[in-house]
Amino acid sequence: SQQGEEDPQALSIQEGENATMNCSYKTSINNLQWYRQNSGRGLVHLILIRSNEREKHSGRLRVTLDTSKKSSSLLITASRAADTASYFCATLTGGGNKLTFGTGTQLKVEL
Amino acid sequence: EAEVAQSPRYKITEKSQAVAFWCDPISGHATLYWYRQILGQGPELLVQFQDESVVDDSQLPKDRFSAERLKGVDSTLKIQPAELGDSAMYLCASSPSGGAGARETQYFGPGTRLLVL
Repeated sequence: SQQGEEDPQALSIQEGENATMNCSYKTSINNLQWYRQNSGRGLVHLILIRSNEREKHSGRLRVTLDTSKKSSSLLITASRAADTASYFCATLTGGGNKLTFGTGTQLKVEL
Repeated sequence: EAEVAQSPRYKITEKSQAVAFWCDPISGHATLYWYRQILGQGPELLVQFQDESVVDDSQLPKDRFSAERLKGVDSTLKIQPAELGDSAMYLCASSPSGGAGARETQYFGPGTRLLVL
């Protein structure tokens, strides 16, 4: 079963604009991770934010986490055509290393 | 840079046939995961190995799916017999430890896309 839902399901922007994707989840988490998936390929890890962190940056990526609202957002600044992909949030829960993925946001960056 | 290898990349089979997928994790990674991703959805964990032992197979349809990691290195996922609803991407991932208390990034392979006719 999917732990989280992402919003929007699809997003189309122009190159150079910022893209924001949101993720909501249902249960308490240890950390939340964002992955990118290019069409028909495997997933690439982008960034991890721990449950006691509120904001994290990595290059053009900014992630926020609000555990009281059980939500996270991923901001990609100055988007490029190469950012076109599906983006998934995944939550880590429990004592092991089990990830539960959301439904994904399809981002299209047009020239 | 080390990568997770999977084969085949694509597989077309007829329903009721048997299919098998192979995964070779990043060298030294103790934990190996198999996920199924239906088109338009996120991946769902089928089975997790810690070395050669299964630690979570709660979502594995055991009447038709089996997985093994005999020497704690590479792994095989088998479906027998395949059904139309098994058409999906099968992803393998690995992480260094994955044991209790681990909070690790998982590294994914390119996946095997299965089409059952």
